[in-house]
Amino acid sequence: DAGITQSPRYKITETGRQVTLMCHQTWSHSYMFWYRQDLGHGLRLIYYSAAADITDKGEVPDGYVVSRSKTENFPLTLESATRSQTSVYFCASSEGNSNQPQHFGDGTRLSIL
Amino acid sequence: GQQLNQSPQSMFIQEGEDVSMNCTSSSIFNTWLWYKQDPGEGPVLLIALYKAGELTSNGRLTAQFGITRKDSFLNISASIPSDVGIYFCAANYGGATNKLIFGTGTLLAVQP
Repeated sequence: DAGITQSPRYKITETGRQVTLMCHQTWSHSYMFWYRQDLGHGLRLIYYSAAADITDKGEVPDGYVVSRSKTENFPLTLESATRSQTSVYFCASSEGNSNQPQHFGDGTRLSIL
Repeated sequence: GQQLNQSPQSMFIQEGEDVSMNCTSSSIFNTWLWYKQDPGEGPVLLIALYKAGELTSNGRLTAQFGITRKDSFLNISASIPSDVGIYFCAANYGGATNKLIFGTGTLLAVQP
């Protein structure tokens, strides 16, 4: 039972570089979500996807790009990383019915120097 | 963006004590959820509540969906050291997006 896995677990990169965070789920959940977690802000939604090829912005989408070509994968790309994007990133998924709880991966800790 | 008002921010208790935390909002929600996050890991779902007034237990944990649909509380009875972590409430308006908003978390420390 793999569930939802994120990779890498840790990443250090430099400002201006492109970096992609991976998220893979084995439950065939329709919905997938990307959050960032920062002290003082809690969990904030970056992007979400209701199904393959359907994505939409969350609360803090600027500087991020997502895609969802397959139901099980939902990569998050920082096209030109900035120091303010240093954070812990969590991916989550949920079943297709409304009000179904989200299940989270273990996160990617990203540091941008 | 909107967040839920979660309190207390932190609690430092002795093993065996009971714990209570709550979340409030000015908005009405269809679902309330409670998660626990251990250091270095993602939030793990503890309890999901779907109906106003609903009271649900999961072992030593009990949570309630407020009658007004604007609040929820979580109680932990007879705390043990492994209860240490950050507890988050989350709420869902319902509808097609299934988006959640989160509380700011309650840090729980349990002294053996």
